[in-house]
Amino acid sequence: GAVVSQHPSWVICKSGTSVKIECRSLDFQATTMFWYRQFPKQSLMLMATSNEGSKATYEQGVEKDKFLINHASLTLSTLTVTSAHPEDSSFYICSAGGVARVITEAFFGQGTRLTVV
Amino acid sequence: GIQVEQSPPDLILQEGANSTLRCNFSDSVNNLQWFHQNPWGQLINLFYIPSGTKQNGRLSATTVATERYSLLYISSSQTTDSGVYFCAVSRNYGGATNKLIFGTGTLLAVQP
Repeated sequence: GAVVSQHPSWVICKSGTSVKIECRSLDFQATTMFWYRQFPKQSLMLMATSNEGSKATYEQGVEKDKFLINHASLTLSTLTVTSAHPEDSSFYICSAGGVARVITEAFFGQGTRLTVV
Repeated sequence: GIQVEQSPPDLILQEGANSTLRCNFSDSVNNLQWFHQNPWGQLINLFYIPSGTKQNGRLSATTVATERYSLLYISSSQTTDSGVYFCAVSRNYGGATNKLIFGTGTLLAVQP
């Protein structure tokens, strides 16, 4: 299957600082990537759709100014959590789609566990 | 939006037992996947199964799209099968692919 790499795997940051998470498709080009968030003992919730070369589309209730998404190339999307607060502590995970809908099965990165202290 | 419910929410098995996990969805879909989330949080792809039946070793899955449900079968369970099992669905109409809606999950614990 397709390989999606996410970095870092875990990060601890101080309240008020910003954290950047990278999601890379290693063996295919992804025009679309997706960012999810998972709180402890809960399911995964879609945060936003990252579109290569255009603005991200955010799900209802997700603050676009807090969760900045950039998809500058066909293999890289980044999620920046700005001015992080303890309530932003969560597990963030990305998935990648394909070019021209060639890949129809979603593959996920390893996830990033963010702890804000 | 589409609602995805999984049952049972929790399941405890003795090693060697068989089990069936169910996923019900509220509307038609053209993509359905089963995942196993390991203790480190990583999602392992088990099946891409929008319809029909597939088997992979001790695991098999069946999706009956017309009746809006999917089943995951685990036979001869092992302790390494423990974790959370998610089904996820999407409905793609020529646009963004793989925008998945996740189910509520089944937490499986296999005891030695």
